Amino acid sequence: GAGVSQSPSNKVTEKGKDVELRCDPISGHTALYWYRQSLGQGLEFLIYFQGNSAPDKSGLPSDRFSAERTGGSVSTLTIQRTQQEDSAVYLCASRPGVATRNNEQFFGPGTRLTVL
Amino acid sequence: QKEVEQDPGPLSVPEGAIVSLNCTYSNSAFQYFMWYRQYSRKGPELLMYTYSSGNKEDGRFTAQVDKSSKYISLFIRDSQPSDSATYLCAMSTGFQKLVFGTGTRLLVSP
Repeated sequence: GAGVSQSPSNKVTEKGKDVELRCDPISGHTALYWYRQSLGQGLEFLIYFQGNSAPDKSGLPSDRFSAERTGGSVSTLTIQRTQQEDSAVYLCASRPGVATRNNEQFFGPGTRLTVL
Repeated sequence: QKEVEQDPGPLSVPEGAIVSLNCTYSNSAFQYFMWYRQYSRKGPELLMYTYSSGNKEDGRFTAQVDKSSKYISLFIRDSQPSDSATYLCAMSTGFQKLVFGTGTRLLVSP
């Protein structure tokens, strides 16, 4: 079946603009995660959704970052007033849900964000 | 000190060699352990998953977890040039966020 998909694959924006990144999880997966991968920082957790609620937002670096999930499926990560330090690859992952007693997370290809 | 430490490499080996990749960690509450492979400009691909201590084998790959030493390993037998990638260890306490190592870059030469 189809894996996790993300769009756009690449996004170049100017400092101060807002951007929206989209994630389509694997069908039926109730858990969804956003991570950020940047040079020198590795993969960092941003936010976790179980269904439409976000029990863990602890990784969001500032109030310029927000995310939502609707219908227990698609998620959007929004970055307002982008800064150059926001340049990174934003990765989305999904997991079947709490009924499966493991934490195997399946990643999408990522969105490469460049802030000029 | 980071929660998960991983040597960034690069690790260069000839084709057919046995490769050993390792991570150490500090949080004794970690109980789910994973290895991901990431090719350049691609998303991480789940390779191996282990719950708690022990070994798990899948084809040419073997994952080991030693919780007493807070040490996990991934072994690749008969390495191939197509194995050249960055290998990321990841772990979690439950079903929430994964904590990643920085990744080890592996280069397998023909």
